[in-house]
Amino acid sequence: DVKVTQSSRYLVKRTGEKVFLECVQDMDHENMFWYRQDPGLGLRLIYFSYDVKMKEKGDIPEGYSVSREKKERFSLILESASTNQTSMYLCASSTDAYGYTFGSGTRLTVV
Amino acid sequence: KNEVEQSPQNLTAQEGEFITINCSYSVGISALHWLQQHPGGGIVSLFMLSSGKKKHGRLIATINIQEKHSSLHITASHPRDSAVYICAVFANDMRFGAGTRLTVKP
Repeated sequence: DVKVTQSSRYLVKRTGEKVFLECVQDMDHENMFWYRQDPGLGLRLIYFSYDVKMKEKGDIPEGYSVSREKKERFSLILESASTNQTSMYLCASSTDAYGYTFGSGTRLTVV
Repeated sequence: KNEVEQSPQNLTAQEGEFITINCSYSVGISALHWLQQHPGGGIVSLFMLSSGKKKHGRLIATINIQEKHSSLHITASHPRDSAVYICAVFANDMRFGAGTRLTVKP
């Protein structure tokens, strides 16, 4: 069963910590995405990548960075976590406009 | 104004009721997706539409390209249908509605 796997379902981190959210896909997809989901705002794109070592800013990249050293893995990094980064984070991958596959999400709480 | 607007934001229904969720968008698109997200869970794709109508079990999705509008219908609703339903459109990238939280009571 093909899928997108996010390493943690729930995380609690302290303000100022460096946080790594990992996403792995086994579908050989070129495109990978990180979104955050907040009530009333829907999913907002943080960063995306169309190829290994390639990254592009989405709508809300501030306070985040990403890494894509291998095709199957796309990591989201919070350099210094803040309470306004408490959210649900969703990873997705796709080959084209039509087929997006989402991970199960990571609910991050920053205290 | 959001490029993708869903209504209603919240919907409570009794088991067995017919349910409609609406989605309007303001950009030219190549595809529209209806997604389902269960509480605490990831997102699964229900339908991808570029025209007309699709049916899968008790779920029906329609799209009117000229009016930039899509609807998701659930017939004979059941408590296990309780979830957030998200409309997403693909233009140059994927844009999401804020979601409709559906609760079906037994």
